[in-house]
Amino acid sequence: GQQLNQSPQSMFIQEGEDVSMNCTSSSIFNTWLWYKQEPGEGPVLLIALYKAGELTSNGRLTAQFGITRKDSFLNISASIPSDVGIYFCAGRDTGTASKLTFGTGTRLQVTL
Amino acid sequence: DSGVTQTPKHLITATGQRVTLRCSPRSGDLSVYWYQQSLDQGLQFLIQYYNGEERAKGNILERFSAQQFPDLHSELNLSSLELGDSALYFCASSVDRTGRGYGYTFGSGTRLTVV
Repeated sequence: GQQLNQSPQSMFIQEGEDVSMNCTSSSIFNTWLWYKQEPGEGPVLLIALYKAGELTSNGRLTAQFGITRKDSFLNISASIPSDVGIYFCAGRDTGTASKLTFGTGTRLQVTL
Repeated sequence: DSGVTQTPKHLITATGQRVTLRCSPRSGDLSVYWYQQSLDQGLQFLIQYYNGEERAKGNILERFSAQQFPDLHSELNLSSLELGDSALYFCASSVDRTGRGYGYTFGSGTRLTVV
């Protein structure tokens, strides 16, 4: 099935560092979402973006909806151990009902 | 607790068997979505129901089927199971047909192991 290209695949960082990950698509999306998944749990919505160029923050998280509508990035500032998990981007395309297409995920590990 | 309830949490069954996964959406949500997540893979969209009717279909195998009942809970039926069907199956719900405003709310998933 269709998936978004998300990079990097995994990151090992030290506590306190900033993190940046991005997501690209060959298709235009009218909504970009970022989710975090912890072991044994379902993904939890972090940030939703609805307009090209939109920059939205949620605490230490900041995400942007790319101008071309084909990409998005997520930044995490001053990482802490509880940031560990898999981060997924998801896009909703312009035509098809409301299904989300998910990225391949970025696995984040934070060391003390 | 996200408000989306999935049962059972774990399921182990043999090849060739049939299983039913159940999902109760968050109160007030009319749309239910089913996703499959294989080991170290992203989430693959299977199917969406809105207020009892099928709304969108993804890469759902013919051996799989789903339905949404009048009380809005949904069931995903997987039959003639193969080893490759082993995965996490997630249900998500959203408040409206398009899921705008709040994205989806996911349940904790059902881990299916086919042996």
